[in-house]
Amino acid sequence: GAVVSQHPSRVICKSGTSVKIECRSLDFQATTMFWYRQFPKQSLMLMATSNEGSKATYEQGVEKDKFLINHASLTLSTLTVTSAHPEDSSFYICSATAGTGLGYTFGSGTRLTVV
Amino acid sequence: DQQVKQNSPSLSVQEGRISILNCDYTNSMFDYFLWYKKYPAEGPTFLISISSIKDKNEDGRFTVFLNKSAKHLSLHIVPSQPGDSAVYFCAAITGANNLFFGTGTRLTVIP
Repeated sequence: GAVVSQHPSRVICKSGTSVKIECRSLDFQATTMFWYRQFPKQSLMLMATSNEGSKATYEQGVEKDKFLINHASLTLSTLTVTSAHPEDSSFYICSATAGTGLGYTFGSGTRLTVV
Repeated sequence: DQQVKQNSPSLSVQEGRISILNCDYTNSMFDYFLWYKKYPAEGPTFLISISSIKDKNEDGRFTVFLNKSAKHLSLHIVPSQPGDSAVYFCAAITGANNLFFGTGTRLTVIP
């Protein structure tokens, strides 16, 4: 079945540094990828939607200059948290789809801790 | 490999009847399970959850059942309403707090 690999699963970084999270579709072409932020036992908050080869569409309230999303190929999207602050500590998860109605495959998430 | 599976990509139910969404998992280390509901162009919304120490959790029209021996959980919606039409995801958490999702089931409630 469709698999999405998300890396790293855990990262601890110092305040002010940048962290890159990768999301790869291993056996299908992901025309659209989504990035979410998960707070404990709460809904996933959609941060942005990215289509291969075009700029990501950010949800209201999400700083595009802080959360840089690149979807350069049909199998890879990256989320870079720039100048990380402790309040950015959270669980980030990606999902990918090959197209409308074809289902969503999620990565296993990245727990970011900014110290 | 998918550790959480939703084998039915779609389900259609008549309004007022029961909707049963199924989910299977392979990892016996999962200790917490969640169901999410997703409308188009929105992020998944948390619906209901269940701890691995329980076999049932009920919240209004939504009930989640967990069968650990079968590694199976299900979400029952009764009575189903047209507004319930959405994509439903099950998800599971390990003690390391990694979150694994199924691929979703599209529920259509027919008025």
